[in-house]
Amino acid sequence: NAGVTQTPKFRVLKTGQSMTLLCAQDMNHEYMYWYRQDPGMGLRLIHYSVGEGTTAKGEVPDGYNVSRLKKQNFLLGLESAAPSQTSVYFCASKVSLGTDTQYFGPGTRLTVL
Amino acid sequence: AQTVTQSQPEMSVQEAETVTLSCTYDTSENNYYLFWYKQPPSRQMILVIRQEAYKQQNATENRFSVNFQKAAKSFSLKISDSQLGDTAMYFCAFARASGSRLTFGEGTQLTVNP
Repeated sequence: NAGVTQTPKFRVLKTGQSMTLLCAQDMNHEYMYWYRQDPGMGLRLIHYSVGEGTTAKGEVPDGYNVSRLKKQNFLLGLESAAPSQTSVYFCASKVSLGTDTQYFGPGTRLTVL
Repeated sequence: AQTVTQSQPEMSVQEAETVTLSCTYDTSENNYYLFWYKQPPSRQMILVIRQEAYKQQNATENRFSVNFQKAAKSFSLKISDSQLGDTAMYFCAFARASGSRLTFGEGTQLTVNP
């Protein structure tokens, strides 16, 4: 039981490049989330999904897109990376609306030059 | 919208002593959950303790306990018998009972000194 995993763990991009971060969970959770963590700002919600085939915007969605084609996977895409997107990205999941505890992945450190 | 505030960016404590981290929040909801997450240097987010707003009894988990003051919208974390492994960033977080999102505070960096 791996829980929540994220791929890759580290990545360096040049401005304007694109990439996709993969989050996978093996707990059959309905809800999945993408957060970014910047120094002194805690975690901020980018996008989330309440089930396969659904996505919704969080606090800071601009510059990102997401897809949830399979229940166990939640992809975060950057179409044209900017230095302001340098951050640590966390994925999380939880069972359903009736539960409250989110389980987090190990994070991905992204640097945009 | 909910907000969570942690007014102590950094704290330090001697090993074996007790330390309290502060958290206040703002909401118009009556039913909600509050959490403390720990983030050690490994970056992994680890749930420390959770509190359901409808429960008056303060949650405890071994050396960790909370002081939940619903009227004051305060949710502090007390760590007893501090250990070196408690050194981490601690985040307070809020979730509506009927919602799906977590709102995090800015975090408090706790250092436990030998």
